[in-house]
Amino acid sequence: LAKTTQPISMDSYEGQEVNITCSHNNIATNDYITWYQQFPSQGPRFIIQGYKTKVTNEVASLFIPADRKSSTLSLPRVSLSDTAVYYCLVGDAAMNRDDKIIFGKGTRLHILP
Amino acid sequence: KAGVTQTPRYLIKTRGQQVTLSCSPISGHRSVSWYQQTPGQGLQFLFEYFSETQRNKGNFPGRFSGRQFSNSRSEMNVSTLELGDSALYLCASTLGGGRDRYTEAFFGQGTRLTVV
Repeated sequence: LAKTTQPISMDSYEGQEVNITCSHNNIATNDYITWYQQFPSQGPRFIIQGYKTKVTNEVASLFIPADRKSSTLSLPRVSLSDTAVYYCLVGDAAMNRDDKIIFGKGTRLHILP
Repeated sequence: KAGVTQTPRYLIKTRGQQVTLSCSPISGHRSVSWYQQTPGQGLQFLFEYFSETQRNKGNFPGRFSGRQFSNSRSEMNVSTLELGDSALYLCASTLGGGRDRYTEAFFGQGTRLTVV
């Protein structure tokens, strides 16, 4: 699995747009980029997944440049309830791959009023 | 559809005892993974089961074991408990079986184990 690097923590204010960048220099051709969100004492929750360019859903956007060596999770107009740990994962999407999912340290996002 | 169910939610055990935790995956999901989460080490992968077979294993001692039943429900067992085993144990279910994309994992609420 490609190694990922993301900031340990970030602070932002309610109503702001928050961008969390993840570096994955060794990403492989078959790798997808997936982000999870975790609140205290709960299991992680899938946010968004992408392969290239831009993906948007009702929760977030994911921007992936052409070289795919990094990606940016964008959370529009955050609220206090977006305070959580955000994990960036890079994994193989080939057929018959197994489902071993390894989490890094994540980014602890703290939203201030 | 029902989510991933873990039982029990909370557990207090004494050093040296053993414990069994249970995980019922989402209906139709065939892969179950287990994770240990502690403040110092974060989310650490324990093992993954698919079709009743352990397919992947993390770097944990043999005291940690698991199994999966024919209905995809999984149990993990920790023997000879140590104080350091106190953690939130999470299980995740995925469709499994090799899909054409990196599969989305659905996590349970976890079991909070305290060893005293």
